[in-house]
Amino acid sequence: KQEVTQIPAALSVPEGENLVLNCSFTDSAIYNLQWFRQDPGKGLTSLLLIQSSQREQTSGRLNASLDKSSGRSTLYIAASQPGDSATYLCAVSLTGNQFYFGTGTSLTVIP
Amino acid sequence: NAGVTQTPKFQVLKTGQSMTLQCAQDMNHNSMYWYRQDPGMGLRLIYYSASEGTTDKGEVPNGYNVSRLNKREFSLRLESAAPSQTSVYFCASSVDLVVNYGYTFGSGTRLTVV
Repeated sequence: KQEVTQIPAALSVPEGENLVLNCSFTDSAIYNLQWFRQDPGKGLTSLLLIQSSQREQTSGRLNASLDKSSGRSTLYIAASQPGDSATYLCAVSLTGNQFYFGTGTSLTVIP
Repeated sequence: NAGVTQTPKFQVLKTGQSMTLQCAQDMNHNSMYWYRQDPGMGLRLIYYSASEGTTDKGEVPNGYNVSRLNKREFSLRLESAAPSQTSVYFCASSVDLVVNYGYTFGSGTRLTVV
């Protein structure tokens, strides 16, 4: 079974700071990896999906990288804003269908 | 707005009661999923449906049944609720079973079994 770990569990930064969220996984033979955002009491919003053949994906101020050989992915958020405050979840799939989720990093951006 | 709709949003059950969680999507997606989210644990897949007429077990299927009623709707049934099934349940959909375009999630059902 794929184990997905996200460290730290919580992070607090001042507005405007660039930050990196980390995700590690135990089985490097992944099909793809997704990063999600979850707001309190809400569902998950898919932010970025990286295929196993890709090394990174970008969307606006977000950049996700993937290093399969080391079992790691990072989500880089540039120029953080209070509206970025949420829990960020990483999910990994070995086959493209069943995803294994980490427990998330709770981000607070302080105005 | 297009997306995944879950009902109800909140539910309290007594141990042994049954209920059905409803999920509907209007994006013409082929595949649908039920996940549960518990504190300190990642989301875990309960059941999924690759396409209309098919369903398969995920990681934690015990105590649940599902029905893919048509392409739009995928329901989750608890036949005899137990306190261990207290959780937040999420329905999700994707274009196809092999997720190349990401998931779309519903807003969740918060279930408490007392």
